[in-house]
Amino acid sequence: DTAVSQTPKYLVTQMGNDKSIKCEQNLGHDTMYWYKQDSKKFLKIMFSYNNKELIINETVPNRFSPKSPDKAHLNLHINSLELGDSAVYFCASRRDRAANTEAFFGQGTRLTVV
Amino acid sequence: SQQGEEDPQALSIQEGENATMNCSYKTSINNLQWYRQNSGRGLVHLILIRSNEREKHSGRLRVTLDTSKKSSSLLITASRAADTASYFCATDSYIGGGADGLTFGKGTHLIIQP
Repeated sequence: DTAVSQTPKYLVTQMGNDKSIKCEQNLGHDTMYWYKQDSKKFLKIMFSYNNKELIINETVPNRFSPKSPDKAHLNLHINSLELGDSAVYFCASRRDRAANTEAFFGQGTRLTVV
Repeated sequence: SQQGEEDPQALSIQEGENATMNCSYKTSINNLQWYRQNSGRGLVHLILIRSNEREKHSGRLRVTLDTSKKSSSLLITASRAADTASYFCATDSYIGGGADGLTFGKGTHLIIQP
């Protein structure tokens, strides 16, 4: 029973298209995130949500719009895809915003923009 | 700016040997965490060490933390082929009044030669 699941696992699309990545966690956590991992494996936080509310938007272009319909889901919609958006996107969750808690990651979505 | 910096960037050792990876960070922390990422997979939490702890053990893992030097090390003893992965240190950032997302280093890619 996967704790954090995201779909799809692979996404290949053309420049200019709009795409969405879905994420769900069944851990009962309050806090969810989106991270982007580039080709050099560097992980950078994009968004942080707590109980469906946006906490952090780390200077991500507004072509990226997260949506949290409930605290178990955090989806990522990307408009007008660009070549530079190619990366692996990870969804993660934590129990809450208290420190000293571990994060649980999904398997990642490898996005390739051609 | 990037919080954690691991070194070495890559490490190749023989099975059975010990592997040591280091991490340095720049700002004050509440805790430091280590994660493992197998190829093509999400990150898995290994161990968390609080800022008031100096050393922590979990199975074959030993983590040390030196807050005066802003550094941590991860030691894997008696390495196995299955330990081949990338290892990341991560620290908590406090932007929105809570622990709002882990900041990751660039990672150490560990290869265990059979």
